[in-house]
Amino acid sequence: GENVEQHPSTLSVQEGDSAVIKCTYSDSASNYFPWYKQELGKGPQLIIDIRSNVGEKKDQRIAVTLNKTAKHFSLHITETQPEDSAVYFCAALEPFGNEKLTFGTGTRLTIIP
Amino acid sequence: EAQVTQNPRYLITVTGKKLTVTCSQNMNHEYMSWYRQDPGLGLRQIYYSMNVEVTDKGDVPEGYKVSRKEKRNFPLILESPSPNQTSLYFCASSFTRNTEAFFGQGTRLTVV
Repeated sequence: GENVEQHPSTLSVQEGDSAVIKCTYSDSASNYFPWYKQELGKGPQLIIDIRSNVGEKKDQRIAVTLNKTAKHFSLHITETQPEDSAVYFCAALEPFGNEKLTFGTGTRLTIIP
Repeated sequence: EAQVTQNPRYLITVTGKKLTVTCSQNMNHEYMSWYRQDPGLGLRQIYYSMNVEVTDKGDVPEGYKVSRKEKRNFPLILESPSPNQTSLYFCASSFTRNTEAFFGQGTRLTVV
């Protein structure tokens, strides 16, 4: 089955700086890669996703890049703000048979004012 | 308001006492799933359902049961809870498995 590794587990950045979180996956057939943000006491919420037919996707201050050859994808947050502080999860979806998302172990991002 | 509702939010129970955590969604989603979240392990899928009366095991199904008799409801059943099932549980729903998943607020379960 799919295996997703996520790094770093914790990340602190100065407000206004950029943050990057990286994930690698094991199954080259995986074709859907969402990122979820989990605020304290809440369930995860989708912030951006990318499918295997594109290499990059951007939504305002958030972008995701995908390198299918290397089997890794990254979340980029620019001009970070205090409200970006949360736990972020990446995930990968295998296309055949197993109908499940495999999540990474999460990154706790802290924005320092 | 589109949402996934879990109940209860918090539950403390004793080993062996059967319990059910309810999950309901109002978005007419076909795909529903249950996850448990443990420190350092991320979100692990317990069971999922692609449609009414169709359920299947995820990564950590042992000790859990589910049912999908109606499209909107997907309860999680622990027939004989044990302390290693102490965890934070999330229900999620989506139109399909590769579209946005909406998560409930979570159920924090403690088994003593």
